[in-house]
Amino acid sequence: RKEVEQDPGPFNVPEGATVAFNCTYSNSASQSFFWYRQDCRKEPKLLMSVYSSGNEDGRFTAQLNRASQYISLLIRDSKLSDSATYLCVVNRRGSYIPTFGRGTSLIVHP
Amino acid sequence: NAGVTQTPKFQVLKTGQSMTLQCAQDMNHNSMYWYRQDPGMGLRLIYYSASEGTTDKGEVPNGYNVSRLNKREFSLRLESAAPSQTSVYFCASRATVLAGTRVYEQYFGPGTRLTVT
Repeated sequence: RKEVEQDPGPFNVPEGATVAFNCTYSNSASQSFFWYRQDCRKEPKLLMSVYSSGNEDGRFTAQLNRASQYISLLIRDSKLSDSATYLCVVNRRGSYIPTFGRGTSLIVHP
Repeated sequence: NAGVTQTPKFQVLKTGQSMTLQCAQDMNHNSMYWYRQDPGMGLRLIYYSASEGTTDKGEVPNGYNVSRLNKREFSLRLESAAPSQTSVYFCASRATVLAGTRVYEQYFGPGTRLTVT
C-alpha cells in the first residue's frame, strides 16, 4: 500500500458545484498535513495546512480524520479557475522528507 | 522576497552532455530539496539537504549529484545526461523541522524543463 494515496480523477464538475477529495495515509506517525495546488506545467503552491480541528479559507475547507487516517478538501461554489491538480502532503514525525500524493485532477466546466 | 528561484527555465541537452541546475532561496530556510516530475508519476525526490553542509539521497538519485553551496543555494548536476532524465525539475525549501512541534510547509521554485535528445 502506498504511503499516501489519492484518487487521480479527473473530477469533472460544473461551475458552482461542491466537490470533495480525500487523501489517505498509512503511517500513523504522520504529524502534519497540507494541500497544494498545481496548475499544468507550473510549480506546486501551498493551498492550505490541515489542522486537527479542521480549517476553512473562503470556499475551501480542510479536515483531518486521524482515526481513519485521511484528510479531505472540500471546495464549494467551484470556479473555472479552480481547475488544477490538488496534491496532498503528509509529514512524518522527525522526518525531513514530506510524502506527496500523486494528485487529484479537477476540471470545472461552464 | 523572490522566494525560490531556479535557473535555467528551459534546457535542451544532447545525450552525454553535462549541466548544473541552480536553485537559490531567500527565506533563510535550512532544508532544500530537488524533485523531478514526469507525466503520471508525481513528484519524486532526487536529493535533499536537511541543513547547510549535509546532503542525502532521495528516491531517485542515480545519475545526479548535488552541492549545498551555502545556506541559500543548492545545485543539481547531471554529469552525463540521458534521455531518461528528460523531465521537469523543481527545487523546494523549507524551514527547519522542529521535533515534536510544527512541521513547516515547502516552497517551490518555478521549475526547469529539461529535454535530453
